[in-house]
Amino acid sequence: GAVVSQHPSWVICKSGTSVKIECRSLDFQATTMFWYRQFPKQSLMLMATSNEGSKATYEQGVEKDKFLINHASLTLSTLTVTSAHPEDSSFYICSARPGASGGNTQYFGPGTRLTVL
Amino acid sequence: GENVGLHLPTLSVQEGDNSIINCAYSNSASDYFIWYKQESGKGPQFIIDIRSNMDKRQGQRVTVLLNKTVKHLSLQIAATQPGDSAVYFCAENIYMIYNQGGKLIFGQGTELSVKP
Repeated sequence: GAVVSQHPSWVICKSGTSVKIECRSLDFQATTMFWYRQFPKQSLMLMATSNEGSKATYEQGVEKDKFLINHASLTLSTLTVTSAHPEDSSFYICSARPGASGGNTQYFGPGTRLTVL
Repeated sequence: GENVGLHLPTLSVQEGDNSIINCAYSNSASDYFIWYKQESGKGPQFIIDIRSNMDKRQGQRVTVLLNKTVKHLSLQIAATQPGDSAVYFCAENIYMIYNQGGKLIFGQGTELSVKP
């Protein structure tokens, strides 16, 4: 149980285009989802926290107009990278946390590799 | 932000030896700590966790030690195997007023290489 999926697993796009990444909790309802970014040989950096039905809370330095997050249901959150540039190329990872009964535990997705040409 | 521009330290061990991976955390108010294993191109995989009211917790072949005085975590892997080769991250859970359950802040990570 507690499986989180991401789609697509990898994507290549041209500079200036927008890319949407989906994060789904497959067998539980996630009141909170998180989005992380990871550059090669570096740690995971939290980008934003997303609560179902409300606006996402972005970490300092993360542009909310560039990284649009939508958490429209208890099993789906999306991250849209708008007007992507080569420096946005990274590994994007989501995690999902069940409701109050799930405590602090976050379940991670497999990640999405974004390459911007 | 945390961990910008850093490169992963590495630990190389012989198969069968014990491994100890260390981590320093930053927030004395953190209430929960987790160790994750990440293989290349994959998401983090939960290994073991510990709450701030404990100083030691054991799992299968793994032990986590927490020293709150010096804000230090360690992960001990017994009888390390080639399949343990991966990057290991510690994470601290920081409580947020606006979000019950808190958020995770990841440490730098250590790349473990196991020689057969």
